[in-house]
Amino acid sequence: AIQMTQSPSSFSASPGDRVTITCRASQAINNYLAWYQQKPGKAPKILIYAASTLQSGVPARFSGSGSGTDFTLTISSLQSEDFATYYCQHYYNYPFTFGPGTRVDI
Amino acid sequence: EVQLVESGGGLVQPGGSVRLSCVASGFIFNKAWMSWVRQAPERGLEWVGRIKSKNDGGTADYAAPVRGRFTISRDDAKNTLYLQMNSLKTEDTAVYYCTTGNSGGEDDWGQGTLVTVSS
Repeated sequence: AIQMTQSPSSFSASPGDRVTITCRASQAINNYLAWYQQKPGKAPKILIYAASTLQSGVPARFSGSGSGTDFTLTISSLQSEDFATYYCQHYYNYPFTFGPGTRVDI
Repeated sequence: EVQLVESGGGLVQPGGSVRLSCVASGFIFNKAWMSWVRQAPERGLEWVGRIKSKNDGGTADYAAPVRGRFTISRDDAKNTLYLQMNSLKTEDTAVYYCTTGNSGGEDDWGQGTLVTVSS
């Protein structure tokens, strides 16, 4: 099975900061990658699919890039509502797997 | 608007069984590929499995930790997805989410149902 890693596992940031989270796959997955945001006690919400396509309704401050094994999620200017945990997930082949998550704290 | 409503969770003894349900609305259920994702307390997300539409074969694929114990099925007449969980272990304790989507990832999620495996 393809393993997903994320870095960092957690970090603190301030509103207005530019934030980058990295996701790496253990083998090439083309661009079959999604990013999710999860807030405490809530179901996750998809932000990006196909590595760089913004889901409808997601603010443009979120962007994704990468292909193959290395991917990034960037938040251009962190807002208070963006403090959450972020997960990547590949859907290249079964079983799909999620990364361990990156928690973004104030 | 897509709505996914899970039910059936609760307290189960190790070795026991439980069936979760997910009632779907707001989209054409019989064309959708549906998934289950779980999250153990204070842990990350874990993909459980996915079932194809009947038109695409209706087969299901599973993550290794649940393969042979869990079965995903669907009743298109009732717009309902199921997860039959047998031979439950304490490590199966989690919130179980029903998901769907056209992007390839999990576009839409239910609110989740908690399964606690404990004696």
